[in-house]
Amino acid sequence: TQLLEQSPQFLSIQEGENLTVYCNSSSVFSSLQWYRQEPGEGPVLLVTVVTGGEVKKLKRLTFQFGDARKDSSLHITAAQPGDTGLYLCAGVLVGAGNNRKLIWGLGTSLAVNP
Amino acid sequence: DAGVIQSPRHEVTEMGQEVTLRCKPISGHDYLFWYRQTMMRGLELLIYFNNNVPIDDSGMPEDRFSAKMPNASFSTLKIQPSEPRDSAVYFCASSLGQTIGNQPQHFGDGTRLSIL
Repeated sequence: TQLLEQSPQFLSIQEGENLTVYCNSSSVFSSLQWYRQEPGEGPVLLVTVVTGGEVKKLKRLTFQFGDARKDSSLHITAAQPGDTGLYLCAGVLVGAGNNRKLIWGLGTSLAVNP
Repeated sequence: DAGVIQSPRHEVTEMGQEVTLRCKPISGHDYLFWYRQTMMRGLELLIYFNNNVPIDDSGMPEDRFSAKMPNASFSTLKIQPSEPRDSAVYFCASSLGQTIGNQPQHFGDGTRLSIL
């Protein structure tokens, strides 16, 4: 059972379209990070959201953290072929004794076709 | 600036052989993580170190896996004996900071391991 569910798993769109990918959980996270991974490389951090309801923008990418800090979304406006990649979300769970663990979703594989 | 450096980039070996993966973290980073990535299970944390000390190895699949960090600039992940189900991409990542999640994890380009 995945603690962090990402949807959709795969997405293929045309250049110029808008899209939203989701990251959902029943657990509350102290913060959540979004990474993008390109073939043959490791994931690269895009953004960290910390506060419930927080919205962050990175050029054409808009990230939102849910009010209850259980879910997050990534919206891309006017997608470009350079946006192609695997988008991963990772949430920080704080357990007993302030033990912190980063929980990863399986990712959304995005293909933007010219 | 040099990022996280992993070697080898690719490794193909027969089952039963010993495999050693190597990682050089970013200088000054005090956390080091070893991950395994597969299509079915995604990115799985195997073990992480803080200031060269193993903190959580609960993700290590079984006793065939071991990891060491003899100093702040080098870590190894060893599989002995290797099995076909160990085939995956293994990533090393490092980060700076007192707590997990407050700083980005910087990943190497991974080692693609194939056990025949």
